Amino acid sequence: KAGVTQTPRYLIKTRGQQVTLSCSPISGHRSVSWYQQTPGQGLQFLFEYFSETQRNKGNFPGRFSGRQFSNSRSEMNVSTLELGDSALYLCASSPEVSSGANVLTFGAGSRLTVL
Amino acid sequence: QQQVKQSPQSLIVQKGGISIINCAYENTAFDYFPWYQQFPGKGPALLIAIRPDVSEKKEGRFTISFNKSAKQFSLHIMDSQPGDSATYFCAASRSGSARQLTFGSGTQLTVLP
Repeated sequence: KAGVTQTPRYLIKTRGQQVTLSCSPISGHRSVSWYQQTPGQGLQFLFEYFSETQRNKGNFPGRFSGRQFSNSRSEMNVSTLELGDSALYLCASSPEVSSGANVLTFGAGSRLTVL
Repeated sequence: QQQVKQSPQSLIVQKGGISIINCAYENTAFDYFPWYQQFPGKGPALLIAIRPDVSEKKEGRFTISFNKSAKQFSLHIMDSQPGDSATYFCAASRSGSARQLTFGSGTQLTVLP
C-alpha cells in the first residue's frame, strides 16, 4: 500500500511569492491534515480536511489556506511568503470518519525555503 | 492551556540501556496521547499511544506510563538500540479534534553502540 505522497519535496521561493504544496493520501483515507515543522516552533497543526470540507484550523494567518478534492487529494497554499514560512510542511492522512483518536500517517514533507 | 511540555531536549544512552522521555500537559480535555518517532528526512511515525483510562501500555520494548492526576506521561524504551536513535515527540489531542495534535518540542535520542 503506497504511503502519503507529498510534492514537491524541496522548493525555494522568494519573499512575496506564493506556493502550492500537494498531498496524496493513502488510498481509502478521507481525512488529510497539514502540519508545519520548524526548529523554533516545532510541529504545529495547520488544518484538517475531510470530504472536501475544512474541519479544524490551527492558529495561522489567513495567508495559509488549503483545499481537498473529491479524490481526497489535498493542496495547501501560502501566499505572500515571509522568511518565517521556511519550514517542513507535513501532510498526514487518516482512515477514520468519526471523531475520536486516529492514527495519522505522515508523508515525508515538503521543505520550503523562503529567501 | 494547549501546551505539551517535553523533556529532556536531548538524551544520550548506551546500547542496552533504558531511555526515558517525559511529557506534561495542561488541558484536561486531552484524551489521546500518542508518541511519534521521526528519523532525518522522514515524517513522524506513530510509535505507541495511550488513553487516560489506563496507566500503562506496552508494545515490545516501548512502554507508555500515564499519570492522570499529575497530567504527565512518559515513554520508556527498554534495551535501547542504535537504530532507536531518532527524534521522539509526545502529543495530545481531544475527542472531536482527534487529528489536531498538540506536539511536544521533541527529544533527540542518541543510542551509543
